[in-house]
Amino acid sequence: GAGVSQSPSNKVTEKGKDVELRCDPISGHTALYWYRQSLGQGLEFLIYFQGNSAPDKSGLPSDRFSAERTGGSVSTLTIQRTQQEDSAVYLCASSPPNLSPLHFGNGTRLTVT
Amino acid sequence: GESVGLHLPTLSVQEGDNSIINCAYSNSASDYFIWYKQESGKGPQFIIDIRSNMDKRQGQRVTVLLNKTVKHLSLQIAATQPGDSAVYFCAENSYFTGNQFYFGTGTSLTVIP
Repeated sequence: GAGVSQSPSNKVTEKGKDVELRCDPISGHTALYWYRQSLGQGLEFLIYFQGNSAPDKSGLPSDRFSAERTGGSVSTLTIQRTQQEDSAVYLCASSPPNLSPLHFGNGTRLTVT
Repeated sequence: GESVGLHLPTLSVQEGDNSIINCAYSNSASDYFIWYKQESGKGPQFIIDIRSNMDKRQGQRVTVLLNKTVKHLSLQIAATQPGDSAVYFCAENSYFTGNQFYFGTGTSLTVIP
């Protein structure tokens, strides 16, 4: 079956513009995570969705970042008024309802010029 | 926040030798641990996991050891191959932290042919 799909794979944007990053999780996976990975760094937790529960937004770095998940499936991460420090790879992962490994997409590489 | 760290940021081994990658964690309540492999330009790929009620788990050419007393996790790769060259991350999870996964910084493994 298909894995986690993220689009676009690369995004170059000008400082101050808004961007939307999309994640299609594995079918049937109720949990969805967004992480950010800067060059040569580990994974920074951003936000977590689990089923119909309220999302855990504790990792979002500022109010310029937001995410939604429609119909318990596709998720969109939106960054408003992008800054150069937002440049990173944004990774999406999904997992089944029980405690299981996360399945990652290949990420969206965001470059803010 | 949680602290999941690695003892060695880089590791070079000869092809055919065994590799050991270490990870320390700080949350004694963590009850699920995962090792991931990340190749350049790709998302992290699941290698092996272990729950806190186990000390050791073996997969194909890989073994994970968990020492809860000193809060230490290790990944052993037998007969290391050039294809094993990648960055390896440990991740930990605790029901008490809302099922978030916390990732270490990563260890870069280079296999010398």
